[in-house]
Amino acid sequence: AQTVTQSQPEMSVQEAETVTLSCTYDTSESDYYLFWYKQPPSRQMILVIRQEAYKQQNATENRFSVNFQKAAKSFSLKISDSQLGDAAMYFCAYRGLYTGRRALTFGSGTRLQVQP
Amino acid sequence: DARVTQTPRHKVTEMGQEVTMRCQPILGHNTVFWYRQTMMQGLELLAYFRNRAPLDDSGMPKDRFSAEMPDATLATLKIQPSEPRDSAVYFCASGLVLGDRAGLGAEQYFGPGTRLTVT
Repeated sequence: AQTVTQSQPEMSVQEAETVTLSCTYDTSESDYYLFWYKQPPSRQMILVIRQEAYKQQNATENRFSVNFQKAAKSFSLKISDSQLGDAAMYFCAYRGLYTGRRALTFGSGTRLQVQP
Repeated sequence: DARVTQTPRHKVTEMGQEVTMRCQPILGHNTVFWYRQTMMQGLELLAYFRNRAPLDDSGMPKDRFSAEMPDATLATLKIQPSEPRDSAVYFCASGLVLGDRAGLGAEQYFGPGTRLTVT
C-alpha cells in the first residue's frame, strides 16, 4: 500500500521569504502522480501543483515549485515570496496511474503560518 | 466557473438520526470520490465511482454508510444511524478519467465539504 509522510506538522515563514515543505512517500509503482493541495481556513481543498513521476522536470506554478526526487521518493514544495494568503494547511497526495484504485492518498498535512 | 457543489455545508444532528449529504460533480466529469477528514485520521477515502458505478467503497463502514449516484449530476452519501464518531468534514471530489490511464484527468476537484456534527 502507498503511504505519504509529512514530517513537519507546522512551519512558519516571514512574508516575502521562501519556505520549503517536505513530503516523502512509499510505493512499489513506477508510474504515478503527486500533488500538493492547499486547505485554507475555509476548508476548501485547492490544487496547488502536480507532478508526473515519468517527467524529470520539476513542476512550477508561479511562486510554487517542487523538488521531485524519484529515487529518494521525495516531493517537496517550495513557496517563494510568501504572502499572507499562503497561510493554510498543505497536504501532499499520491495517486497511482495504473491501479484500479484511483483515489488520492494524503499525508497528514503541514500547517504553514506566514508572519507579516 | 465550474465547481463541485455540496449540500448542506453544515449539519448538526442527534445520534441515531439519518444523515444525507449531496454532491453535484463538475459537468462532464465521470469520477466521483467521497473523502472524510478528521483530526485523528486525516483525509481518508470512503467511496469512489466511475461512470456512476461504485468501484471502491472499502473505506466505508458498510453497516451504516451507503453511497449512490442516482444520475451523473448527483452523488449521495447516507449515514443511518449516525453516531458521534461520524462527526467530521465530508468532501466530495470529481475528475475526468479517459481510458485506463489515469494520466488524463489525474486532478481531482474538491467541493467545499459538509461539516457534520453528531451529538
